[in-house]
Amino acid sequence: KAGVTQTPRYLIKTRGQQVTLSCSPISGHRSVSWYQQTPGQGLQFLFEYFSETQRNKGNFPGRFSGRQFSNSRSEMNVSTLELGDSALYLCASSLALGGHETQYFGPGTRLLVL
Amino acid sequence: AQTVTQSQPEMSVQEAETVTLSCTYDTSENNYYLFWYKQPPSRQMILVIRQEAYKQQNATENRFSVNFQKAAKSFSLKISDSQLGDTAMYFCAFRGYSGAGSYQLTFGKGTKLSVIP
Repeated sequence: KAGVTQTPRYLIKTRGQQVTLSCSPISGHRSVSWYQQTPGQGLQFLFEYFSETQRNKGNFPGRFSGRQFSNSRSEMNVSTLELGDSALYLCASSLALGGHETQYFGPGTRLLVL
Repeated sequence: AQTVTQSQPEMSVQEAETVTLSCTYDTSENNYYLFWYKQPPSRQMILVIRQEAYKQQNATENRFSVNFQKAAKSFSLKISDSQLGDTAMYFCAFRGYSGAGSYQLTFGKGTKLSVIP
């Protein structure tokens, strides 16, 4: 079974632009979560989607948004990019909601904002 | 809000030796889940081991085992017979209920483990 895939793997943008990242979960997985990883802040939760609905959102500004499609694929969007948005963005999928569900991570998208 | 603390930013161990990584957490919940993830230089986050808080028995997975002390809110990872491929960042993570049916993963800052040949 294929793992979580994320596209693109690398991105370079300039301040003020917007960016869309994509995540395809493991087949059969319906929950998708997004995390931002930076050297200073570590791994921080962005949001979780299940059945096309956002179930939880971390402490990030409204410039960060996401959505989930009927096939469970998810996208996250960052508008008006800032230098501090440079990070590794990780997507994780699990079968369903629930604390007992293990999240499996994709390889990440590395975003550099210049 | 839950917090996860890994007090050892960096550690090293000789190949074939045993090493223990520490993790403590803070929560008022009774039912939750704990995980250790490994992130090698490739940046792919890989699940190492998980523990359910309601289980008293410590989880084991081949060379990896945990020492789960619920009252002390401690969750350490022991790696036996360390191998060069164990070189990575190790993250301790807590998964607890955050509302609307969602369970959020909260990570520690990580411990960078180097296995020395």
